[in-house]
Amino acid sequence: GAGVSQTPSNKVTEKGKYVELRCDPISGHTALYWYRQSLGQGPEFLIYFQGTGAADDSGLPNDRFFAVRPEGSVSTLKIQRTERGDSAVYLCASSLKGTAKNTGELFFGEGSRLTVL
Amino acid sequence: AQSVAQPEDQVNVAEGNPLTVKCTYSVSGNPYLFWYVQYPNRGLQFLLKYITGDNLVKGSYGFEAEFNKSQTSFHLKKPSALVSDSALYFCAVRDMRTSGTYKYIFGTGTRLKVLA
Repeated sequence: GAGVSQTPSNKVTEKGKYVELRCDPISGHTALYWYRQSLGQGPEFLIYFQGTGAADDSGLPNDRFFAVRPEGSVSTLKIQRTERGDSAVYLCASSLKGTAKNTGELFFGEGSRLTVL
Repeated sequence: AQSVAQPEDQVNVAEGNPLTVKCTYSVSGNPYLFWYVQYPNRGLQFLLKYITGDNLVKGSYGFEAEFNKSQTSFHLKKPSALVSDSALYFCAVRDMRTSGTYKYIFGTGTRLKVLA
């Protein structure tokens, strides 16, 4: 079966440009997470979706970052006016259920490496 | 706030020797703890989790972890290391919010190097 798919795998852009990163979760997984991983660091939480709604967006660093999941499946992370400090690997993960009773693990994609020149 | 700490940036061990990768946690309430592994240019893969029950949890690839409440630790272990175990290992804790939603908080990672 297909795992979590992220596109593009690599994106090089110039400072100030707009970028979209896409995540296609495992079919049937209602919970979807975005993390950012900088070199030598652990994954840093950005946003969590339960279905179509953002249940927790407290990790988005500023209003240049936005994410959507309009149909409760594919999600897009959008970054406006990119800065060099946005360079990182953006990881997407999905989980079967995002409820309190679920203790399931996260399934990660291979990430989208963003380089802002 | 919930957090985990991985005190070692890197652990070196000879092939065939036992390995330990350390993790300590700080949580309010019952901890839900996880270990993930990351191979070069790959996403994170789940290894094992502690929710409740036995303090010794067994997971994938022969790994196990010991939950110690008094020491607030959740160290990852393997009796006999393989060169192929060389990778980046992350400890994580589930951070439950009053709203009922939750997210996972990751440690900074420990690079394991198994020497032939």
